[in-house]
Amino acid sequence: DTGVSQNPRHKITKRGQNVTFRCDPISEHNRLYWYRQTLGQGPEFLTYFQNEAQLEKSRLLSDRFSAERPKGSFSTLEIQRTEQGDSAMYLCASSLVGPSGSNTGELFFGEGSRLTVL
Amino acid sequence: GENVEQHPSTLSVQEGDSAVIKCTYSDSASNYFPWYKQELGKRPQLIIDIRSNVGEKKDQRIAVTLNKTAKHFSLHITETQPEDSAVYFCAATNDYKLSFGAGTTVTVRA
Repeated sequence: DTGVSQNPRHKITKRGQNVTFRCDPISEHNRLYWYRQTLGQGPEFLTYFQNEAQLEKSRLLSDRFSAERPKGSFSTLEIQRTEQGDSAMYLCASSLVGPSGSNTGELFFGEGSRLTVL
Repeated sequence: GENVEQHPSTLSVQEGDSAVIKCTYSDSASNYFPWYKQELGKRPQLIIDIRSNVGEKKDQRIAVTLNKTAKHFSLHITETQPEDSAVYFCAATNDYKLSFGAGTTVTVRA
């Protein structure tokens, strides 16, 4: 499968614990995004990378959240001291940016990592 | 930032009938409008998109229209089939950050 892969697919944790999600984008894609989706809502933008540089973080991303893309390939999203309000599906997506810097369009999403905080 | 509103939130249609979902956006600079389909427990997948220099685009049974002046765009599905049952999301952007609507749950009744 050459699509976007995420793991773990499901994570149940107790409040206060730390969790980390991993995303492997499509190999030639230089942009990687993290979105959060709660039940009955559309995905909400959290942050994105172009290669290894994190270029924007949403105000939704509190100080407890940190994302990295160390070599411009896979990315990790860590949530520290989880709260019940963090329960959601965390979606990763990737896309290809053309030489002009403009997005070619389609975001390819992974299956998501579902977090449940008890 | 961009704000996208989508309606209806649920839509039930008889198999073979048409389904229409409408979205409005707030940022006049938005120039790319994709539609994603998400089946239960699956990833969102692009089904059709349109750019601001085009007013309408068709792909078999689905079509999207864009009215830049009114800042709204619509998805049309004709001859609906049971496999069209899913949640559909519209989105808008002028560069890298897609802003999504809240989604429309479409149910096709046999």
